[in-house]
Amino acid sequence: GDSVTQMEGPVTLSEEAFLTINCTYTATGYPSLFWYVQYPGEGLQLLLKATKADDKGSNKGFEATYRKETTSFHLEKGSVQVSDSAVYFCALTTFTGGGNKLTFGTGTQLKVEL
Amino acid sequence: DAGVTQSPTHLIKTRGQQVTLRCSPKSGHDTVSWYQQALGQGPQFIFQYYEEEERQRGNFPDRFSGHQFPNYSSELNVNALLLGDSALYLCASSLQTSGSYTDTQYFGPGTRLTVL
Repeated sequence: GDSVTQMEGPVTLSEEAFLTINCTYTATGYPSLFWYVQYPGEGLQLLLKATKADDKGSNKGFEATYRKETTSFHLEKGSVQVSDSAVYFCALTTFTGGGNKLTFGTGTQLKVEL
Repeated sequence: DAGVTQSPTHLIKTRGQQVTLRCSPKSGHDTVSWYQQALGQGPQFIFQYYEEEERQRGNFPDRFSGHQFPNYSSELNVNALLLGDSALYLCASSLQTSGSYTDTQYFGPGTRLTVL
């Protein structure tokens, strides 16, 4: 079945540091890939997505490139801010069984300090 | 443009009771999915509704059931509650476009269920 593996957290960085959160996946079909972010006490917000190999999703300074050869979708940001502190979830969807359920990783908590 | 809304925000029940959670999709969306998120975990897919029918289901027992109404809103029902059902229940909506699996799902704030 489909699965997503994320690096374990928490990841603690100083403000303006470079961020990488690793994500690899296993999928039975050709997946679309997503990063969602969850702030404390809130639901999930879509951060970015990519639907085919070599696509780069980007939003709010975050980027991730769909790498089919390495089955990866690593999240990067060049300079993090305290406001980026949240839990980040990598997810995939494939159109199997008539629907498009999302399969999530376990999440990576990011803490950014001044 | 209203986003996905869920009610109630919080709920406390005791073991064996039944609960109903509600979701209104984002304006213009016709598909609703439900997820369970245990503390410290990623969301787990429960089921998805489209055209008032369950079209995909995750690995959850029959105690979990749902419904979609003609206005696309949805309910999640859980019977015979167990302690392990304590979690954040998330609703997500999307727009079905020619069966494309790239349809993006947008999430509501969730309902926090505590079972005592």
